[in-house]
Amino acid sequence: EAAVTQSPRSKVAVTGGKVTLSCHQTNNHDYMYWYRQDTGHGLRLIHYSYVADSTEKGDIPDGYKASRPSQENFSLILELASLSQTAVYFCASSDNRGKDTQYFGPGTRLLVL
Amino acid sequence: AQSVTQPDARVTVSEGASLQLRCKYSYSGTPYLFWYVQYPRQGLQLLLKYYSGDPVVQGVNGFEAEFIKSNSSFHLRKASVHWSDSAVYFCAVSAGGNTGKLIFGLGTTLQVQP
Repeated sequence: EAAVTQSPRSKVAVTGGKVTLSCHQTNNHDYMYWYRQDTGHGLRLIHYSYVADSTEKGDIPDGYKASRPSQENFSLILELASLSQTAVYFCASSDNRGKDTQYFGPGTRLLVL
Repeated sequence: AQSVTQPDARVTVSEGASLQLRCKYSYSGTPYLFWYVQYPRQGLQLLLKYYSGDPVVQGVNGFEAEFIKSNSSFHLRKASVHWSDSAVYFCAVSAGGNTGKLIFGLGTTLQVQP
């Protein structure tokens, strides 16, 4: 069974503070993704990575950085959190681009006050 | 540009009734299509996927979907729903290229009434 875990599961942050969301996968997958879920927008891709030590911008990268220190770990970093970044964040992994199933983590609920 | 439209934000059906959740996509090439389900406070789980071949694909828990190229549709169906099917259902198309990213519809919330 594919496994993607995220931490923390929920977080309250202050505006202007730094937030780091972590994702860990035990699937031995090369591809990892960070999505954001908002009411009325579905899921949108923030950053993705297809190899360790390399990240790529997705559709809505502004205000976010990503880090892929190893194949298993992929972090999303909000250097200066803003109210508009309140959302649910999902990490996913897949074995190959396009065709393969993406396996999602349980999500992190982020509230920025 | 690729896009996915799920025209029904919310669908309510009675337990035991049949179900169809609609999905239409816009994609210039051969699409890879997916249906995911999200239960409350959980991540997305794959129901089924279509790459090629038989246009009717079977998924988990009795779900199936039919790819109709002429209509750019990939509707999800189930013959008899159970209360436990209540969830949010997302249709998605793979954007292809080098990203592998998925383009999601806005989702359809299914409520099954006892």
